Order: sequence, then structure tokens, then C-alpha cells
Amino acid sequence: GAVVSQHPSRVICKSGTSVKIECRSLDFQATTMFWYRQFPKQSLMLMATSNEGSKATYEQGVEKDKFLINHASLTLSTLTVTSAHPEDSSFYICSAPPPGLVAQPQHFGDGTRLSIL
Amino acid sequence: KQEVTQIPAALSVPEGENLVLNCSFTDSAIYNLQWFRQDPGKGLTSLLLIQSSQREQTSGRLNASLDKSSGRSTLYIAASQPGDSATYLCAVEGGGSEKLVFGKGTKLTVNP
Repeated sequence: GAVVSQHPSRVICKSGTSVKIECRSLDFQATTMFWYRQFPKQSLMLMATSNEGSKATYEQGVEKDKFLINHASLTLSTLTVTSAHPEDSSFYICSAPPPGLVAQPQHFGDGTRLSIL
Repeated sequence: KQEVTQIPAALSVPEGENLVLNCSFTDSAIYNLQWFRQDPGKGLTSLLLIQSSQREQTSGRLNASLDKSSGRSTLYIAASQPGDSATYLCAVEGGGSEKLVFGKGTKLTVNP
């Protein structure tokens, strides 16, 4: 079964709406989670690193006041797209590295398709 | 800045054919390289992870190789099936950060 759950899978809303996306690790604790964005025919681009108990780290060019990240517990990170506009329409996906010393692939959520009208 | 390139962007083959997908990266100082599969509108499924000290990894009909010094990796798919149709993504992880840098992917279509 899925070890990272992302919700909702699809959102369609009007311009100016704020949208919250949740990312949960189901059977492990994640002190760090990552948020990516994928525009059509483009690669996944890292937006920010979500850190449990501290501020998120944003990649260059990503507005921290527009994309609010909260990592309130060891199993939940949320991304809120504030006052969303059509150019924010994209595929948002989160990932969490599993715990342990041995290199393991990150677990990804199923993504959220955001469409702003 | 790390850049990952995947060639070809799209590939269409008849069922049963063996095929190779290519990935190159500009900075050889990587921690590992990962291959993922992405179905339309879906999340990512991890296929193979190659640590920087390894040369290849195999899983079923999939074999991935890594030549870190030349900045190249290949994903070999044997005896392709229609169910293999998907976009295949290559990603590299830099030392210690766990951040992944992705290529744009290769869209594979296997025709029955």
C-alpha cells in the first residue's frame, strides 16, 4: 500500500482562492518532506523542503508568502497556495525520505492536480 | 547547478522489443541516482536506485547502469510490454541533501 498519502488529488477553484494540500507519511515518521511542482512537459522542480518543528526552506524563485508550508507533526506536512491564480495551475507532489541509514528511494504521494479558473 | 537531461523525450516501440533510456547529469558529485515511473496524472513509482559507489542495479526486466565519472545512466527494459507504457524519470540526489533533481522524462509507448 501507499506509504505517503497526498490529498486532495484534484482541485478546481476560482482565482483568488487559497488551497491547502496535505501530505502524510502513513507508516513512518518524516522529519523532512519535499514539495515539488510539475508544469506540463516539464520536469519536477523542487519548491521547498518542509522541516518538522522549524521553518521550511524554499528554493530560489519560490515565494514563501505565496506557498505556505507547515510541518506540524512527524507525519504531516501541508502546502497552502494562497490567493491562487491561473499561473499557479500545476501538478504538485510531495515526497518523504524513509528513515534509516541505508540509501532508500523516497516515497512520493500521488500528487495534486490544481486548476485555477 | 545540477542539470539532468533525458534522451529521447519520447519513444514508441512494438511489444517484445528491448529498449534503452538515457539519462545524463552535469555534476558527477552525486549521492545516488534513481529511476521512477510516472503514469498519466499520477505520482511516482520508484523503480531502481543506484548508489554512487555502484555500477548497476537490476529488478526483473529492468537494469539500470551508472557511470558517475561520465555523468551517464541508462535504463534497460527487456521484452517490453504494453503495461510498460509510462513516462520514465531519472533523478539524482546530491550529497547529503536528499533533494532530487529530475530530468524531463522519456515518454514510452509500447504498442501491442
